[in-house]
Amino acid sequence: DTAVSQTPKYLVTQMGNDKSIKCEQNLGHDTMYWYKQDSKKFLKIMFSYNNKELIINETVPNRFSPKSPDKAHLNLHINSLELGDSAVYFCASSRRLREGGDTQYFGPGTRLTVL
Amino acid sequence: AQSVTQLDSQVPVFEEAPVELRCNYSSSVSVYLFWYVQYPNQGLQLLLKYLSGSTLVKGINGFEAEFNKSQTSFHLRKPSVHISDTAEYFCAVSAGGNKLVFGAGTILRVKS
Repeated sequence: DTAVSQTPKYLVTQMGNDKSIKCEQNLGHDTMYWYKQDSKKFLKIMFSYNNKELIINETVPNRFSPKSPDKAHLNLHINSLELGDSAVYFCASSRRLREGGDTQYFGPGTRLTVL
Repeated sequence: AQSVTQLDSQVPVFEEAPVELRCNYSSSVSVYLFWYVQYPNQGLQLLLKYLSGSTLVKGINGFEAEFNKSQTSFHLRKPSVHISDTAEYFCAVSAGGNKLVFGAGTILRVKS
């Protein structure tokens, strides 16, 4: 029973293409996140959604568009992929947004390689 | 804004030896503190977190951390490491709104 799942696990594509990464959580959480881990393993939050509403948008280029069809899903669509988008993207979820101490549960990651 | 500094990028240690991974944070408001572990090719898993109360926090796999407000530190310790503890460890801070700010990570290499 995977708590937070992501598909695909690996994604190799050419510059200029458009791609999507899907995330699903079965924990009943209200809040979901996308993080980017670069080649130096530095982790940075990109987006946060609470009950399908965008809460955090961390100066991410407009080419990145998160979409939350329901509380259990948060997908990431990336237009016009660039070399610098190559990274591991992690989805996470937590129970609620209001308090900052909630544990975030992370998915296994999607390794995106842009050629 | 919050920031986290993990002072060591890599820590090599022999099996059954004690280890300390250092973490310092900066914030103008009260924070919550976390340690996450990332095993190779996997996602992050929570080791422990400090919310309030006792400054010594115990986590999974025998790890513990001590919150020191005056030194703005949250160092992670384990009295005796195993080969299986080899992983990357991330310290993180949150000041509300569940926005985690991570440090750069410390790779713990346990040698036999």
